[in-house]
Amino acid sequence: GAVVSQHPSRVICKSGTSVKIECRSLDFQATTMFWYRQFPKQSLMLMATSNEGSKATYEQGVEKDKFLINHASLTLSTLTVTSAHPEDSSFYICSAPTPNYGYTFGSGTRLTVV
Amino acid sequence: AQSVTQPDIHITVSEGASLELRCNYSYGATPYLFWYVQSPGQGLQLLLKYFSGDTLVQGIKGFEAEFKRSQSSFNLRKPSVHWSDAAEYFCAVLRPFGGSQGNLIFGKGTKLSVKP
Repeated sequence: GAVVSQHPSRVICKSGTSVKIECRSLDFQATTMFWYRQFPKQSLMLMATSNEGSKATYEQGVEKDKFLINHASLTLSTLTVTSAHPEDSSFYICSAPTPNYGYTFGSGTRLTVV
Repeated sequence: AQSVTQPDIHITVSEGASLELRCNYSYGATPYLFWYVQSPGQGLQLLLKYFSGDTLVQGIKGFEAEFKRSQSSFNLRKPSVHWSDAAEYFCAVLRPFGGSQGNLIFGKGTKLSVKP
């Protein structure tokens, strides 16, 4: 079945640095990728939608310059957290739609900013 | 706007007992509804989904859910819980977007603990 590989699974970075999270579709072409953020004991909140070859669409309240999304190919979408701060610490998950209203999720990235 | 409510934050059941996790949705048209399970630090796995037709939907791992339009509910059930079912469960509704498939809107989740 459709698989999305997300890396890294865990990352610790210092305040002020940038972190890149990658999601690759392994056996299908993902023209769209959804990026979610999950706070501890909370639901998944959609941050943005990336589309191959075009600009990402951000949800209200999400800083575009803070969370840079790139979808340069049909198999790779990336989320870069720029100038990270401790409040950016969270669990980030990508998801790609698959046929028949399916969705496949990456395994998530635990970001800790110290 | 679409929304999902999961009234129970945390439920504890004994192994072998039956389980029902509640989910209420808000959507003007016929909703596309989903149940996912998440183990700690992991991604989400689809348990089942409802689009149309038979309102009782069978899923993986012995789970089932029933769509009740009159109650705007899509409750998840399992007749006999196993210790391995301990996890976080999310109900979700599809938010269409133009001509595309759209994204999922999730409830806050219900954490299931299983007592031996």
